[in-house]
Amino acid sequence: SQQGEEDPQALSIQEGENATMNCSYKTSINNLQWYRQNSGRGLVHLILIRSNEREKHSGRLRVTLDTSKKSSSLLITASRAADTASYFCATDMGNTGFQKLVFGTGTRLLVSP
Amino acid sequence: DTAVSQTPKYLVTQMGNDKSIKCEQNLGHDTMYWYKQDSKKFLKIMFSYNNKELIINETVPNRFSPKSPDKAHLNLHINSLELGDSAVYFCASSPQQGMKAKNIQYFGAGTRLSVL
Repeated sequence: SQQGEEDPQALSIQEGENATMNCSYKTSINNLQWYRQNSGRGLVHLILIRSNEREKHSGRLRVTLDTSKKSSSLLITASRAADTASYFCATDMGNTGFQKLVFGTGTRLLVSP
Repeated sequence: DTAVSQTPKYLVTQMGNDKSIKCEQNLGHDTMYWYKQDSKKFLKIMFSYNNKELIINETVPNRFSPKSPDKAHLNLHINSLELGDSAVYFCASSPQQGMKAKNIQYFGAGTRLSVL
């Protein structure tokens, strides 16, 4: 069954506000990644957090990982209209030395000017 | 200078036909993938190849046959297309397999397949 469930499914905010998306997963992971998908485009990698890390920052992005709760959150601060996209968490479940990403259901973010 | 390129971008065909989607990456990566994204945006891995060898084969009907002539190319051939095959198919690549290290995937723009 699907590994990642994301919450909320859709989020609508104003420019300048912060956006928080959550991801829950079911089994142990090697790492967790967040990707962005603009409408009609491919996915773009945003940030990776390893299973032994708890928090990571990249520009306006902040990711947390709680392996005891099997959950992660992505915070986008000071959002811009250009942040409008779908955001997916992906858990790396590869157990043979090869990466196997299992994607969540995605959060559709709409940032209004 | 596109990193991961897929062709065609759009594919409209009749049920029962056979079609192919091509993917090429110029990043020098070892591993390539095919994903299927359905109408609800759910993205699921189908296949993965590392240096031309199949390493992931999810529960995909055997009407789908990937072929990797070299590590820069991974093509997807689909026989006897069905309505349920309508989706967006994404190719991706990543470097340095065989290690439990940081690894990210680079995606193509997708091929939207519509089976009528």
